[in-house]
Amino acid sequence: AQRVTQPEKLLSVFKGAPVELKCNYSYSGSPELFWYVQYSRQRLQLLLRHISRESIKGFTADLNKGETSFHLKKPFAQEEDSAMYYCALSDPGGTSYGKLTFGQGTILTVHP
Amino acid sequence: DAGVIQSPRHEVTEMGQEVTLRCKPISGHDYLFWYRQTMMRGLELLIYFNNNVPIDDSGMPEDRFSAKMPNASFSTLKIQPSEPRDSAVYFCASSSTGGQGVINWYGYTFGSGTRLTVV
Repeated sequence: AQRVTQPEKLLSVFKGAPVELKCNYSYSGSPELFWYVQYSRQRLQLLLRHISRESIKGFTADLNKGETSFHLKKPFAQEEDSAMYYCALSDPGGTSYGKLTFGQGTILTVHP
Repeated sequence: DAGVIQSPRHEVTEMGQEVTLRCKPISGHDYLFWYRQTMMRGLELLIYFNNNVPIDDSGMPEDRFSAKMPNASFSTLKIQPSEPRDSAVYFCASSSTGGQGVINWYGYTFGSGTRLTVV
């Protein structure tokens, strides 16, 4: 069964410090991986997906198949990055295509 | 487009009562998903539909939960009878494949959620 683990429920950093939100997954195949973000009083929205190899709002995430990880990183955190972050996985070749399996989420707080 | 619309935004009900949550997906989207968010378990998929047909309901916790999608523009999630442990935020999301069989992940849109409290 596929599973996504975010080991940190809470993460606090100071503005300008590097930040890394950890995500590990278990899946027997080649998954699609995503990071979603939920700012206060806003809807859950896609931040980035691994297949696009993009940098959004200064965030990047690299898929490490050997370590089955997809950690989210930003070199210099900003106060506006404070939010709930979810790592998610989709099974592109499975029967439940479109289904997202989420981790438990990490609340990031960036202090001034 | 107003996005995915959920109602009500907040619902407080007594244990044992029936609760109905509503969702209007984005027009043209052929996938609709119901998720539940709790502090303990995070975000979990309950059920999803493709072209109004339920595809996977393995996440529905118990027979007390049921979901319907009578047409492409409306879905309901019903809990009967409700229990305090059902208290959570329930999200609806929709997306499309554009007829190509590939999900448009950038168009995978979540609603604002319904915060349910069962007392």
